[in-house]
Amino acid sequence: DVKVTQSSRYLVKRTGEKVFLECVQDMDHENMFWYRQDPGLGLRLIYFSYDVKMKEKGDIPEGYSVSREKKERFSLILESASTNQTSMYLCASSLTLRGTQYFGPGTRLTVL
Amino acid sequence: QKEVEQDPGPLSVPEGAIVSLNCTYSNSAFQYFMWYRQYSRKGPELLMYTYSSGNKEDGRFTAQVDKSSKYISLFIRDSQPSDSATYLCAMTSFQGAQKLVFGQGTRLTINP
Repeated sequence: DVKVTQSSRYLVKRTGEKVFLECVQDMDHENMFWYRQDPGLGLRLIYFSYDVKMKEKGDIPEGYSVSREKKERFSLILESASTNQTSMYLCASSLTLRGTQYFGPGTRLTVL
Repeated sequence: QKEVEQDPGPLSVPEGAIVSLNCTYSNSAFQYFMWYRQYSRKGPELLMYTYSSGNKEDGRFTAQVDKSSKYISLFIRDSQPSDSATYLCAMTSFQGAQKLVFGQGTRLTINP
């Protein structure tokens, strides 16, 4: 079974803090994704990576950056957290670009 | 106008009922259509995957795609309380395969 794990289930941070969200997959998938999920807006793609050190912006990259130094690990960075970044963050991975995306359990981030 | 529209519900039906969940979309390039199920406090998991138009059946679940109407459906027969979850439709095109576009999700409750 594919397993995608995220470093924290719940996280509370203060405005202005630098926040790191980590995602690890154990199936040697090429592609990894970061989404945020908000009520009424569904899932929105922040960034994705199709190879180590490669990244592409999604639909809402502003205020975020990512890092993929190893194939199995994809990090989402909030350079200076703001209250409007309070959300559920979901990581996913897939073997091919059109393949099934497997999601982690999510990190619920609250920025105060 | 959103690329994918999905009624967020909530939808509440008695156990044993047939459930119909629907999404409409505007991008005629979409060719790959998915339904994800998301239980509370979990990440989405793939339920059904279809390519182009037609029907696909898996146990109590049937996915339908009508590309001429830009309309997809998920039917659940003999619904069970364990089917209570949020159902998200997702779709992508051949070229933009890495970018799944999600509907808002429909929250479904099956009452015993």
